[in-house]
Amino acid sequence: AQRVTQPEKLLSVFKGAPVELKCNYSYSGSPELFWYVQYSRQRLQLLLRHISRESIKGFTADLNKGETSFHLKKPFAQEEDSAMYYCALSTGGGNKLTFGTGTQLKVEL
Amino acid sequence: NAGVTQTPKFQVLKTGQSMTLQCAQDMNHNSMYWYRQDPGMGLRLIYYSASEGTTDKGEVPNGYNVSRLNKREFSLRLESAAPSQTSVYFCASRGDPEAQYFGPGTRLLVL
Repeated sequence: AQRVTQPEKLLSVFKGAPVELKCNYSYSGSPELFWYVQYSRQRLQLLLRHISRESIKGFTADLNKGETSFHLKKPFAQEEDSAMYYCALSTGGGNKLTFGTGTQLKVEL
Repeated sequence: NAGVTQTPKFQVLKTGQSMTLQCAQDMNHNSMYWYRQDPGMGLRLIYYSASEGTTDKGEVPNGYNVSRLNKREFSLRLESAAPSQTSVYFCASRGDPEAQYFGPGTRLLVL
């Protein structure tokens, strides 16, 4: 069965410091991976997906099939980056998403 | 485009009461989904509809039913609400080859 693991519930960094939010997955097929962001009490918004290889709001993520990871990175954290981040894996018929438990990023001044 | 809309935004129920959560999308997407979000558990899929006229169970379907009324609308029904169903419910839609897009959520409190 597919699984997404986000080992950190909370990550606290200072403004201007680098950020890395970890995501590991287990899936026997070809994975399609996403990062979603949820600002306080708002809807989930797509941040990026691995097949588009875009950089959104300065965030990037590289799929590492050998390590089954899809870590989210940003070189310099901004205060407005404070939010909940979810890693998600799309699998199977109907393109269902399996979510990790999320990491709360807090950027401190 | 409004994207994905949900009603109501907030609801309080007593144990045993029933209610229907409404979801609509105006992006002409084929697939629609219902998730629940609970602290420390991320989002879990309740039901989904890969296309108009079809519905399938997700990870946590017990206590829920769904109806794909037409291509735009996908409703979630709680027949007899329980305190364990207190949660935030999100609807989402997807059109190939796009990602899923989410609604604003419904906060449900079951007393």
